[in-house]
Amino acid sequence: DVKVTQSSRYLVKRTGEKVFLECVQDMDHENMFWYRQDPGLGLRLIYFSYDVKMKEKGDIPEGYSVSREKKERFSLILESASTNQTSMYLCASSGSNQPQHFGDGTRLSIL
Amino acid sequence: AQRVTQPEKLLSVFKGAPVELKCNYSYSGSPELFWYVQYSRQRLQLLLRHISRESIKGFTADLNKGETSFHLKKPFAQEEDSAMYYCALGGGGATNKLIFGTGTLLAVQP
Repeated sequence: DVKVTQSSRYLVKRTGEKVFLECVQDMDHENMFWYRQDPGLGLRLIYFSYDVKMKEKGDIPEGYSVSREKKERFSLILESASTNQTSMYLCASSGSNQPQHFGDGTRLSIL
Repeated sequence: AQRVTQPEKLLSVFKGAPVELKCNYSYSGSPELFWYVQYSRQRLQLLLRHISRESIKGFTADLNKGETSFHLKKPFAQEEDSAMYYCALGGGGATNKLIFGTGTLLAVQP
């Protein structure tokens, strides 16, 4: 069974802080994704990666960056956290032409 | 532009009643359509994929290219079906990037 693990279920940070959200998958998947999930807006893609050190912007990349140094790990970075980045963040991974598998999510609050 | 529309934010039905969760899409190529489900306090998980043409937990969905729809149906709702349902559109290809709808909360009343 595919395992996508997000490092924190809940996280509270202050405005202006640099925030790291970590995601690890154990299925040797090429593709990894970061979404934010907001009520009434569904899931919106922030960034995705199709290989180590490769990344592409999604629909809402502003204020975020990502890092993929190893195939199994995909990090989302909030360069300078702001209150409008308070949200649920979901990580997913998939093999080539395969459905995406999701982690449990990180509920991030920016105070 | 690629888009997925789920017109209902909330669908409330009684146990045993039929269920239809609507999904319409806009895509110029050959689409791949998915239904994902999120039960309370659980992770988002794949329910159906249109190319599989299978029934999961009694749910089915048929891709109608003429109407650009992929509605999710179940003849008799159960209380355990209560969850948030998301329709998602993929353009195919190795990355299988998805566009999600805004979701429909299904509430099955006893």
